[in-house]
Amino acid sequence: GQQLNQSPQSMFIQEGEDVSMNCTSSSIFNTWLWYKQDPGEGPVLLIALYKAGELTSNGRLTAQFGITRKDSFLNISASIPSDVGIYFCAGLPRNTGNQFYFGTGTSLTVIP
Amino acid sequence: DTGVSQNPRHKITKRGQNVTFRCDPISEHNRLYWYRQTLGQGPEFLTYFQNEAQLEKSRLLSDRFSAERPKGSFSTLEIQRTEQGDSAMYLCASSWGSATQPQHFGDGTRLSIL
Repeated sequence: GQQLNQSPQSMFIQEGEDVSMNCTSSSIFNTWLWYKQDPGEGPVLLIALYKAGELTSNGRLTAQFGITRKDSFLNISASIPSDVGIYFCAGLPRNTGNQFYFGTGTSLTVIP
Repeated sequence: DTGVSQNPRHKITKRGQNVTFRCDPISEHNRLYWYRQTLGQGPEFLTYFQNEAQLEKSRLLSDRFSAERPKGSFSTLEIQRTEQGDSAMYLCASSWGSATQPQHFGDGTRLSIL
């Protein structure tokens, strides 16, 4: 199956700092999604991206669809304690069409 | 809009038993997906339905696994003769329209095999 490399694997930051994470693949993707998952709960959709180069914001979150269509980036500005959780990227490959592939997640810890 | 609902939230069973999970998608969503998630990993695709038709199955879905969506609304996932390796979180997601549309997840069923 498709491999999505998500990095970093974990981050420990001070409250108020900005956060950046990314997701890369060797294949071309048509759609990128970013999710946040809290312990014991399902992933919650944060941002959806559909075009190469697209930049979309949701409050303090901004995500970009890479221009090569093989990567995506998520930034969180001015982090707060409730940003703690695991962030997953998910991509829909151009050729296989029906199945989203998920990265292994970035675990974010915010120190008050 | 009540979101995606999954039952039960937790299931503990002995190895060799059969288990069944239920998913109620968002009411107008035509696509329904099942995923498996183990600790430290992202969700892995198992199968998906468009209305009542099961259109794709992952190689992860062995012949002990079966899924149905009889009327194009709720879905069930059954695992027969459970094994230790089946312990995981089973997630259901739904979406409307084409495959590119974002999927909305339920809170999952946590399966533990004793």
